Amino acid sequence: NAGVTQTPKFRVLKTGQSMTLLCAQDMNHEYMYWYRQDPGMGLRLIHYSVGEGTTAKGEVPDGYNVSRLKKQNFLLGLESAAPSQTSVYFCASSYSALVYLNEQFFGPGTRLTVL
Amino acid sequence: AQKVTQAQTEISVVEKEDVTLDCVYETRDTTYYLFWYKQPPSGELVFLIRRNSFDEQNEISGRYSWNFQKSTSSFNFTITASQVVDSAVYFCALSGRNRDDKIIFGKGTRLHILP
Repeated sequence: NAGVTQTPKFRVLKTGQSMTLLCAQDMNHEYMYWYRQDPGMGLRLIHYSVGEGTTAKGEVPDGYNVSRLKKQNFLLGLESAAPSQTSVYFCASSYSALVYLNEQFFGPGTRLTVL
Repeated sequence: AQKVTQAQTEISVVEKEDVTLDCVYETRDTTYYLFWYKQPPSGELVFLIRRNSFDEQNEISGRYSWNFQKSTSSFNFTITASQVVDSAVYFCALSGRNRDDKIIFGKGTRLHILP
């Protein structure tokens, strides 16, 4: 079991470039999440998915798009990167949305720098 | 609105000392859940504990213990006889029990254990 994996681990973009972050989980989890972690801000939810083919906005969705075409994958896209999107991005998954019953498993993170 | 406050941004202690990480929360829910996560230097978040609002018993797991006090809306985490491997960022988090509830994270406390 690899758990939750994220690719790439590091990326540097120029302002205006686009990219996609890939999250994959092999635990057959229904729910997947994308967070960003900024210094002094904790983790903030960007988007999440309650199942294959569904996505929903979290706390800070602007500037990001997501897709969940396959149950095991959750993609986070930046169409036109901005310096404010410099952050560490974490993907997580859980068996269900009932977070009080099911812990979230986190990936190792992707460190993104936008110049 | 739900909120988690970790007032200690950074703490440094010498190895073998005891250290307590504070967590204060705000919620209007009568049923809620509290969590602690550890983020070691490798970056991946590791689930430590989940506690529901009806269970005020303190919990001990090895050198780790948690003190939940509803009267002060606090869920503090103590490491006894700290070790260098305990150096990490620790996050306290809060969630309701509804299907749409997400985990709200505090900003984290960076703990340095000095040899």
